[in-house]
Amino acid sequence: GAVVSQHPSRVICKSGTSVKIECRSLDFQATTMFWYRQFPKQSLMLMATSNEGSKATYEQGVEKDKFLINHASLTLSTLTVTSAHPEDSSFYICSARYETQYFGPGTRLLVL
Amino acid sequence: GESVGLHLPTLSVQEGDNSIINCAYSNSASDYFIWYKQESGKGPQFIIDIRSNMDKRQGQRVTVLLNKTVKHLSLQIAATQPGDSAVYFCAENTPLLPSGSARQLTFGSGTQLTVLP
Repeated sequence: GAVVSQHPSRVICKSGTSVKIECRSLDFQATTMFWYRQFPKQSLMLMATSNEGSKATYEQGVEKDKFLINHASLTLSTLTVTSAHPEDSSFYICSARYETQYFGPGTRLLVL
Repeated sequence: GESVGLHLPTLSVQEGDNSIINCAYSNSASDYFIWYKQESGKGPQFIIDIRSNMDKRQGQRVTVLLNKTVKHLSLQIAATQPGDSAVYFCAENTPLLPSGSARQLTFGSGTQLTVLP
């Protein structure tokens, strides 16, 4: 199957700082990538759809100025959590479509 | 549709027995369905998929059944092993536009499968 990687796998930061998470499709090109957030014992919630070369499409209730998405190439999308606060602590997962959707291993964010 | 809850449904099975995990989907326009397995602290892993023009698809030790009449999906795991312990999610792929070019994947609430020795 297709491989999607994420970096970092976990990050701890202070409140008010910004954190960047990278999502890469390793063996295929993806014009569309997706960013999800998952809280403990809950399902995956789609945050935004990242489109290569154009603006991301955000789901209702997701602040686009807080969660900046950049899809600069066909193999890389980045999610930047700006001015992070403790309530942003979560498991962030990206996916990319190659016939079906394949997911990255996730990034655990803890904001102190 | 989206389903969020604080308590995952659970299923406990004896090692070697068969497991059946059920999922109800909400959108009759969904035409593609996927089962994912998620182990603790990891991203979802693709297991098997099925298109709406089929009612059954088999993989290695897994079978997915689709009943469009009642909008129900099930995942059957044969000879369940300890390594099968995980949370299993069904996902429905829904076209957002009539052209079908934009699509969205919506996850069910998940089921925690525990395999007992």
